[in-house]
Amino acid sequence: ETGVTQTPRHLVMGMTNKKSLKCEQHLGHNAMYWYKQSAKKPLELMFVYNFKEQTENNSVPSRFSPECPNSSHLFLHLHTLQPEDSALYLCASSQEKGGDYSGNTIYFGEGSWLTVV
Amino acid sequence: KQEVTQIPAALSVPEGENLVLNCSFTDSAIYNLQWFRQDPGKGLTSLLLIQSSQREQTSGRLNASLDKSSGRSTLYIAASQPGDSATYLCAVEDFNKFYFGSGTKLNVKP
Repeated sequence: ETGVTQTPRHLVMGMTNKKSLKCEQHLGHNAMYWYKQSAKKPLELMFVYNFKEQTENNSVPSRFSPECPNSSHLFLHLHTLQPEDSALYLCASSQEKGGDYSGNTIYFGEGSWLTVV
Repeated sequence: KQEVTQIPAALSVPEGENLVLNCSFTDSAIYNLQWFRQDPGKGLTSLLLIQSSQREQTSGRLNASLDKSSGRSTLYIAASQPGDSATYLCAVEDFNKFYFGSGTKLNVKP
């Protein structure tokens, strides 16, 4: 298995649907992230989980609901989305460290393309 | 809040040219800077990581430099090839938080 796996790769949903994106990391990391990538905009950090606890919610609308049941799995539950939510959603993981901190690196999945119609 | 800017937004060059991509950041208090490559419709692949105490890193035809005090980094690609065509993103890390630029879309023409 590759490091960070995302499913599904492509998703088309209506504005009244409920769907979920799934992410699994096989790197033994303790932190997982959801990013949104829209055309011609920087990656937008949505959520950060560290040891299953949410440590960052970057003012994301409540129609996006994350879930982190353990340090290897991360979900993004979607409901009543808007067409402007169509984007590439990227999951990532890293090994967050404390103590004598010297920097970190982040690993990404292939992303889930979401189209809201 | 950290802001990361990449210039140019797009670049088209003939095969074989050497080229430079630029990245600037507003807050010099970073732990490291990382360059990524993104192919269309795919995730990000890490190319080079420069720790804040380092000045540059090299991998094959790629060389990345970091001037933390001025808030700048460059990615130098030597002898470009069509297979280098992709979007290149830089990201700075501030204690487990990663901030990304919008990327430079590179097209290398055969």
